[in-house]
Amino acid sequence: KAGVTQTPRYLIKTRGQQVTLSCSPISGHRSVSWYQQTPGQGLQFLFEYFSETQRNKGNFPGRFSGRQFSNSRSEMNVSTLELGDSALYLCASSYWALRDRGRNTEAFFGQGTRLTVV
Amino acid sequence: AQSVTQLGSHVSVSEGALVLLRCNYSSSVPPYLFWYVQYPNQGLQLLLKYTTGATLVKGINGFEAEFKKSETSFHLTKPSAHMSDAAEYFCAVSFLYNQGGKLIFGQGTELSVKP
Repeated sequence: KAGVTQTPRYLIKTRGQQVTLSCSPISGHRSVSWYQQTPGQGLQFLFEYFSETQRNKGNFPGRFSGRQFSNSRSEMNVSTLELGDSALYLCASSYWALRDRGRNTEAFFGQGTRLTVV
Repeated sequence: AQSVTQLGSHVSVSEGALVLLRCNYSSSVPPYLFWYVQYPNQGLQLLLKYTTGATLVKGINGFEAEFKKSETSFHLTKPSAHMSDAAEYFCAVSFLYNQGGKLIFGQGTELSVKP
């Protein structure tokens, strides 16, 4: 069974540009969450999508957005890139939404996309 | 507010020695607790999790953790460290009754294993 696939693995962008990252969850999983990992702030929750609906959002500016398609694949977009957006962006998938009580909400992570903004 | 604290950003042990990585959480509601491991340039791999039931949880690679409600702790242990255990370890909590069930991570503990 294939794991969570994130593309691309590495990306270099210039300040002011926008970027789109992709995440393909494990087959059958309907929830996709995104996290930003930086040395200073650690791992921070960006948002979660479940069945094409955003279920939860972290404390990030509106430049960070996402969407989920009917096949559960998800994309994350960052517009007007800033130097501080340089980070490892991790995607996690689970069968149930993380907030569904009593469900096995184990999250499986992809290898991440390393974004460098110059 | 709910939070997770990992005591010690760096822990160094000798091969064969006990590994103890500490995690405390702050919450007024029952948590789900997780330990993840991250190797360089890799994503996160789940080591073990506590949801309900038995408070001593066994995971992969010989790791285990015990949920102690009275101490709000979920420390990770392994009786005998192996060189391959060198990595960064993250404790995480999920609170289903608020915060939308998102994972809240500690700052991580980098484990070094000396030969």
